[in-house]
Amino acid sequence: SQELEQSPQSLIVQEGKNLTINCTSSKTLYGLYWYKQKYGEGLIFLMMLQKGGEEKSHEKITAKLDEKKQQSSLHITASQPSHAGIYLCGADTGNQFYFGTGTSLTVIP
Amino acid sequence: KAGVTQTPRYLIKTRGQQVTLSCSPISGHRSVSWYQQTPGQGLQFLFEYFSETQRNKGNFPGRFSGRQFSNSRSEMNVSTLELGDSALYLCASSLGPSGSTDTGELFFGEGSRLTVL
Repeated sequence: SQELEQSPQSLIVQEGKNLTINCTSSKTLYGLYWYKQKYGEGLIFLMMLQKGGEEKSHEKITAKLDEKKQQSSLHITASQPSHAGIYLCGADTGNQFYFGTGTSLTVIP
Repeated sequence: KAGVTQTPRYLIKTRGQQVTLSCSPISGHRSVSWYQQTPGQGLQFLFEYFSETQRNKGNFPGRFSGRQFSNSRSEMNVSTLELGDSALYLCASSLGPSGSTDTGELFFGEGSRLTVL
């Protein structure tokens, strides 16, 4: 979606390495969502951010929303093979939810 | 509590037929949105319903329609199926609609995979 730019499109990392995925909107957002998806399956909810400057963590995954509420990053520390999958950001722009095109993450043992 | 439930999970149809997909939201959630996911286009917004009213519709032809019932369950229908309608159809539910301070977390079902032959 042009409303939401997600980068990079794909990542291949060695197990144990850190990585960051970015999501940028041209609009100020009401909410920003991060999901993980295995091919052909539903989206697993990871985190939701609503306030400017907000940061949330779950296990080794941390997500941040900038002060202007237009940019978010998802950071994985010490990646593991279980982190592999497609990561999608979603944004509430006020009248609907938009989604990025996804980042395919491969973790090499 | 139970998550978002979509039925059927898989279905095969032929061109020209119609299909109805069902979505039961998480208990207490009143907002349901639908998406089409294809490898080339990613997640494309179809509709959003809140309290039985369609709030928004994405850029899809009139063959795609939907509705929401008083118990917040939602259905979408695709008539006169085309090969290009083959996709994973996902629904998501939340407490409130988009743009609301009560939106809350947005949870997805496992999807209905439609194959049109």
